[in-house]
Amino acid sequence: KAGVTQTPRYLIKTRGQQVTLSCSPISGHRSVSWYQQTPGQGLQFLFEYFSETQRNKGNFPGRFSGRQFSNSRSEMNVSTLELGDSALYLCASTELAGTYEQYFGPGTRLTVT
Amino acid sequence: QQPVQSPQAVILREGEDAVINCSSSKALYSVHWYRQKHGEAPVFLMILLKGGEQKGHEKISASFNEKKQQSSLYLTASQLSYSGTYFCGTESGAGGTSYGKLTFGQGTILTVHP
Repeated sequence: KAGVTQTPRYLIKTRGQQVTLSCSPISGHRSVSWYQQTPGQGLQFLFEYFSETQRNKGNFPGRFSGRQFSNSRSEMNVSTLELGDSALYLCASTELAGTYEQYFGPGTRLTVT
Repeated sequence: QQPVQSPQAVILREGEDAVINCSSSKALYSVHWYRQKHGEAPVFLMILLKGGEQKGHEKISASFNEKKQQSSLYLTASQLSYSGTYFCGTESGAGGTSYGKLTFGQGTILTVHP
């Protein structure tokens, strides 16, 4: 099976702009989780989607939002970008059967200038 | 609360063994272990569930002490390819009820030299 794919891989934006990142899970995986990774804070959970519904959300401001489509693909959006939003954004998909392990995509490296 | 990993960094020669520990102050349902190489995605290694079920890498083993909320990852006969940052991710809700949320430790940097 193909792995988790994320687009774009790299992105440079300026403060105040908004950005949309895309994630396609492993075929058959219906849950998609998003994480932010920074050197200072490490890996932090943003939110999780299943069947087009957000089931869980981490401690991030409302500028961070997401959605999931009927084919399980997911997008996350960050509005009014701040310098501190510069990070690697990772999505992970889960089959929701058995042991619930998560498989990560390669990430989108976002740089805010 | 973020789980605490120790040590923060390990340097090994090929063939040597290492143990990485992960400790949480919360009751855990499962512990997930990942390895991340620079510029790459975290790669799933092992999952340990409350009650003893495990699933993961053939050449890597781990333990989960449910009473102490601690897990250890055992890397034996290390290879150059083992170099990277190891993360533990913990889940407090049973059987998928954490809804995708893993809480990760700060990572342990493992370097294997020839």
